[in-house]
Amino acid sequence: GDSVTQTEGLVTVTEGLPVKLNCTYQTTYLTIAFFWYVQYLNEAPQVLLRSSTDNKRTEHQGFHATLHKSSSSFHLQKSSAQLSDSALYYCALSDPGGYKLTFGTGTSLLVDP
Amino acid sequence: ETAVFQTPNYHVTQVGNEVSFNCKQTLGHDTMYWYKQDSKKLLKIMFSYNNKQLIVNETVPRRFSPQSSDKAHLNLRIKSVEPEDSAVYLCASSSTGGDYEQYFGPGTRLTVL
Repeated sequence: GDSVTQTEGLVTVTEGLPVKLNCTYQTTYLTIAFFWYVQYLNEAPQVLLRSSTDNKRTEHQGFHATLHKSSSSFHLQKSSAQLSDSALYYCALSDPGGYKLTFGTGTSLLVDP
Repeated sequence: ETAVFQTPNYHVTQVGNEVSFNCKQTLGHDTMYWYKQDSKKLLKIMFSYNNKQLIVNETVPRRFSPQSSDKAHLNLRIKSVEPEDSAVYLCASSSTGGDYEQYFGPGTRLTVL
């Protein structure tokens, strides 16, 4: 079956410094869509980024990620972390029909002043 | 307002009782989902429906039964709840044939005593 791995449970970064959250995956699907979801405290998960194109950078709200099928990765990065970025981040992949998202275990990002 | 709505927000019950959760989306989507988010924040698909038809049924105990009256409504019934059912149940919806982005409701927090 499919799997998504997020190796860090907690990432702490000082405001203004760059941050990177790791995401790797295993799947047998040839056509796949990848997502980063963000969940703020006491809120629902919401899409931050989406990609299905190999080696194409996608950006939103200062975050960016590039799907690399050669290394089975979809890491999330930001050049300058903000206090408001503190949240729980999930990497997820969709089956080709869009009927199921497989989530990673999530990474809590804490941005310190 | 177009969104995914869930009722109730919270529910506390005793082991062995039956509970029901409701979900409604006003986004015009044709696919709806139930996810379980446990105390460790692990997020896992339980069921997905497309136009009232069950598409995905993950390995879920038989005491869980989803029901869809139309493509805008999806309910979840749990017969004879057990302590491990304590979690947040998240409903989501999406439009197949689109970008597979799923929109989540605020969740129903179930506590089983």
